Amino acid sequence: QQPVQSPQAVILREGEDAVINCSSSKALYSVHWYRQKHGEAPVFLMILLKGGEQKGHDKISASFNEKKQQSSLYLTASQLSYSGTYFCGTENFPKTGANNLFFGTGTRLTVIP
Amino acid sequence: NAGVTQTPKFQVLKTGQSMTLQCAQDMNHEYMSWYRQDPGMGLRLIHYSVGAGITDQGEVPNGYNVSRSTTEDFPLRLLSAAPSQTSVYFCASRGLAATDNEQFFGPGTRLTVL
Repeated sequence: QQPVQSPQAVILREGEDAVINCSSSKALYSVHWYRQKHGEAPVFLMILLKGGEQKGHDKISASFNEKKQQSSLYLTASQLSYSGTYFCGTENFPKTGANNLFFGTGTRLTVIP
Repeated sequence: NAGVTQTPKFQVLKTGQSMTLQCAQDMNHEYMSWYRQDPGMGLRLIHYSVGAGITDQGEVPNGYNVSRSTTEDFPLRLLSAAPSQTSVYFCASRGLAATDNEQFFGPGTRLTVL
């Protein structure tokens, strides 16, 4: 049930844009995005729900294509602080109680001056 | 609020030794889980619990036991450590309400099995 992320790694210069993709072989209800700095715990960025709107968080936004069972994370005008590993976590059905999150293998983003 | 706490931060074991990784949360979350993180593998779910006295297996449960005697605590036990269990372990918690979207992670325990 683990979603697939691409690319595995990307290097950007400050100010450049990046797109990280997350896809699943199963129908999705929601996609969660997390960022993990080196040596730290993953931190929640945003959630996209089936039928919901595209979300944004400063210059980081995401979309969710239910038909294609995939989500994309957009980082615009990247900053050094964006460096880290980005994970998508997926849920296959509405959260009526305990839903397990299944995470992708991660995308390592490095922003250089 | 301390959030999710884990102890120890680092641990080295010899093959065959046993140990317990501690996890506690002070957010009154019913749902708690354990993940292991290995290079190139992402976060994989080991065990989870939806409340005191209720536990279930995740994707990679072999070699691990859990129990949930209180809402706050969710320890992970390695009965007989193996080198394949060398990993970083994260505990996480989340509320059960439909609007409880964020899953909170602890700082992790880095385990090395020799």
